[in-house]
Amino acid sequence: SQTIHQWPATLVQPVGSPLSLECTVEGTSNPNLYWYRQAAGRGLQLLFYSVGIGQISSEVPQNLSASRPQDRQFILSSKKLLLSDSGFYLCAWSVYGGGDTQYFGPGTRLTVL
Amino acid sequence: LAKTTQPISMDSYEGQEVNITCSHNNIATNDYITWYQQFPSQGPRFIIQGYKTKVTNEVASLFIPADRKSSTLSLPRVSLSDTAVYYCLVGAHSGGYQKVTFGTGTKLQVIP
Repeated sequence: SQTIHQWPATLVQPVGSPLSLECTVEGTSNPNLYWYRQAAGRGLQLLFYSVGIGQISSEVPQNLSASRPQDRQFILSSKKLLLSDSGFYLCAWSVYGGGDTQYFGPGTRLTVL
Repeated sequence: LAKTTQPISMDSYEGQEVNITCSHNNIATNDYITWYQQFPSQGPRFIIQGYKTKVTNEVASLFIPADRKSSTLSLPRVSLSDTAVYYCLVGAHSGGYQKVTFGTGTKLQVIP
């Protein structure tokens, strides 16, 4: 069966510090991968999606970047965090070319102080 | 991408059937309708998906009229554990990926 992992689960970082969140998927090959952010009490905002290694599409101009160095690894990064980067970050995967069902990871709660 | 509109919140007593309606007037021919459930501090979880008419699984039913401009998620006999946010999504199939938009969802509060 497929599983998706995210780490860390929680993170507290000062403004201006770098960020690296990692997501890995097991049990599937060539998945579509997604990064979402959810602000407190709000819906999910799609940040990036990827259909393959090295292929990243950005949905929203921002202080963040994403990379996909391996087929089942998706990384969200920032060189300098802003207060507005605080939120709940979710990674998800879906079957490439299949239906639009997305499977979400447990999320990372980021607080920027 | 088709935009969806759903109520911000709903309250229901335990044991009642709950129906949450979602509007998606601009749904495209190849779009599917998918519903997710999200508990606090967790990622959304897939509930049900459909294209037209009615779909039923062990958790819920999804009713889609012929014009597909709306859909209704039906939760039979809700319990306190069904308190969550429910998202209605309309997926755009484009090439090898599916790009969907999550709205703010419907916050369902089940009352004892």
